[in-house]
Amino acid sequence: AQSVTQPDIHITVSEGASLELRCNYSYGATPYLFWYVQSPGQGLQLLLKYFSGDTLVQGIKGFEAEFKRSQSSFNLRKPSVHWSDAAEYFCAVGADNDMRFGAGTRLTVKP
Amino acid sequence: KAGVTQTPRYLIKTRGQQVTLSCSPISGHRSVSWYQQTPGQGLQFLFEYFSETQRNKGNFPGRFSGRQFSNSRSEMNVSTLELGDSALYLCASSAPFSGANVLTFGAGSRLTVL
Repeated sequence: AQSVTQPDIHITVSEGASLELRCNYSYGATPYLFWYVQSPGQGLQLLLKYFSGDTLVQGIKGFEAEFKRSQSSFNLRKPSVHWSDAAEYFCAVGADNDMRFGAGTRLTVKP
Repeated sequence: KAGVTQTPRYLIKTRGQQVTLSCSPISGHRSVSWYQQTPGQGLQFLFEYFSETQRNKGNFPGRFSGRQFSNSRSEMNVSTLELGDSALYLCASSAPFSGANVLTFGAGSRLTVL
């Protein structure tokens, strides 16, 4: 069965600094991979997705993620974090109508 | 177009009661999935419906049930509520034959069980 691990429960970065959120997955075939963001009291919003092809995918709000099959990773990056990026971020792997989410990484942005 | 709409947004129940939550998917989306989100367990898959049929089910007790109507609207029901059922219940819809399950989430229904 597929599973997702987000090793970092909480990350704090300064505004303007770069960001990388880690995600490792376990899946028997080529996975469909996603990053979602959740602001307090809200549902999840899709940031980006990887289905196939180019391993570097661009998303909304200036985020990007890179699929590395050899490392079973799909890390999320942003070159310069804004205070509004403070939220919880979820990596997910999905196939056949069964999406599995990581435990999430809470991002705090220092002024 | 309108997003995924969940009602009610907030509700408080007492142990032993039952609750019904509603989800209206994006127009044209025929798949509806439900998730339970708690601080301790994170996001856990409850079930997924497509064309009024449950296609997949997570590892939850039988107290948790759902259904989908012909207009793709979905409801989930939790009977004999327990304190541990307090959670944010999220509904998500996806486009037909998307295969890769690009889920669009609603804002959730926050259930508090006292």
